[in-house]
Amino acid sequence: EAQVTQNPRYLITVTGKKLTVTCSQNMNHEYMSWYRQDPGLGLRQIYYSMNVEVTDKGDVPEGYKVSRKEKRNFPLILESPSPNQTSLYFCASSGGNADTQYFGPGTRLTVL
Amino acid sequence: QKEVEQDPGPLSVPEGAIVSLNCTYSNSAFQYFMWYRQYSRKGPELLMYTYSSGNKEDGRFTAQVDKSSKYISLFIRDSQPSDSATYLCAMSAGTTDSWGKLQFGAGTQVVVTP
Repeated sequence: EAQVTQNPRYLITVTGKKLTVTCSQNMNHEYMSWYRQDPGLGLRQIYYSMNVEVTDKGDVPEGYKVSRKEKRNFPLILESPSPNQTSLYFCASSGGNADTQYFGPGTRLTVL
Repeated sequence: QKEVEQDPGPLSVPEGAIVSLNCTYSNSAFQYFMWYRQYSRKGPELLMYTYSSGNKEDGRFTAQVDKSSKYISLFIRDSQPSDSATYLCAMSAGTTDSWGKLQFGAGTQVVVTP
């Protein structure tokens, strides 16, 4: 079954405590992305990757880091989380055409 | 100004009615037009996509693209309460680097009442 998995699904943390949200896909897709979704602002892209070791900034990259060391994994790192990073985060993968776009189930992050 | 505009709603319709959703865009390079459905507390799932202008039908869903007007639509016939969700449009130029940078609308919340 084609799948994008994210962990954890829910996370409550405190300001400044480094955290990592993992993302993995089982479809051998080249493209992977991270989005955040906030009420009234829709989906905003944080970072994306076109292949292993190839990443680029999206629309809202400040405060986030990513790495793509393996094709299947694309972790999102918040080195010093702040309350304005409280949001719903989605990982997505794509095989490079319109009918292979998949999203993960989401990670709800709260930073106190 | 955003590249893709979509009315956030909410749009409330009675069961059995036709739901009409639309997006406008400004980038004439967009060639692929996608519609996603997102249930509450779930990730978006691809409903259907259209390449260039024209219509595409899939069961109760019809997608239309008018590139001359930079306007796309999604129609849901015989709407059901299970169609209650947020519907997002997304677009891509179809180039190698564009598949990692889809442009999304804000999403329209649809509520179908029994």
